[in-house]
Amino acid sequence: DGGITQSPKYLFRKEGQNVTLSCEQNLNHDAMYWYRQDPGQGLRLIYYSQIVNDFQKGDIAEGYSVSREKKESFPLTVTSAQKNPTAFYLCASSRLAGDQLSSYNEQFFGPGTRLTVL
Amino acid sequence: AQSVSQHNHHVILSEAASLELGCNYSYGGTVNLFWYVQYPGQHLQLLLKYFSGDPLVKGIKGFEAEFIKSKFSFNLRKPSVQWSDTAEYFCAVSPGFQKLVFGTGTRLLVSP
Repeated sequence: DGGITQSPKYLFRKEGQNVTLSCEQNLNHDAMYWYRQDPGQGLRLIYYSQIVNDFQKGDIAEGYSVSREKKESFPLTVTSAQKNPTAFYLCASSRLAGDQLSSYNEQFFGPGTRLTVL
Repeated sequence: AQSVSQHNHHVILSEAASLELGCNYSYGGTVNLFWYVQYPGQHLQLLLKYFSGDPLVKGIKGFEAEFIKSKFSFNLRKPSVQWSDTAEYFCAVSPGFQKLVFGTGTRLLVSP
């Protein structure tokens, strides 16, 4: 059963603690992404990675860090520097398109992790 | 910076009513356009997409969208909604290199 898994579904942390969200895919996709979803703000890109051991900042990378040691895994760490970490976090993956705009590949999304910082 | 505007934040319709959700984007170059849907408790999934060609695009579950380049719009339509269409709908634009810029979303509630 191919897809993207995110764990845990719900996560609670105390303010000032770092927390790592898991994202695993078995779709053999090269590219992976992390988004943050807030009510009324849609999805905003945090980080993305197109190849193992390489990743780029998205639009709201401050206070977050990622790693891409394996093709299947793209964990996101929410650090204590993130000022407003409570949110719904979505991971996605896609095949790697070329540099042709028309060769865009669909992004597939995981079920998400709802992080609440107390 | 690229941006996507969805004008309707909440829409309430009765079953069998027609649906049109607005989406406008700001980007001067060539873009790819998408509508994603998030049903309650389910993953975000692709509803339809436009790359080039016929500006009227048909997607899953009877949805369609029309790309009007002169208006920078990509509105989503369905002639007759069902209770099962209750969900949040997101318009997204890709200005290139696989990055997606999402709108703020529209919550649709269809009453039986």
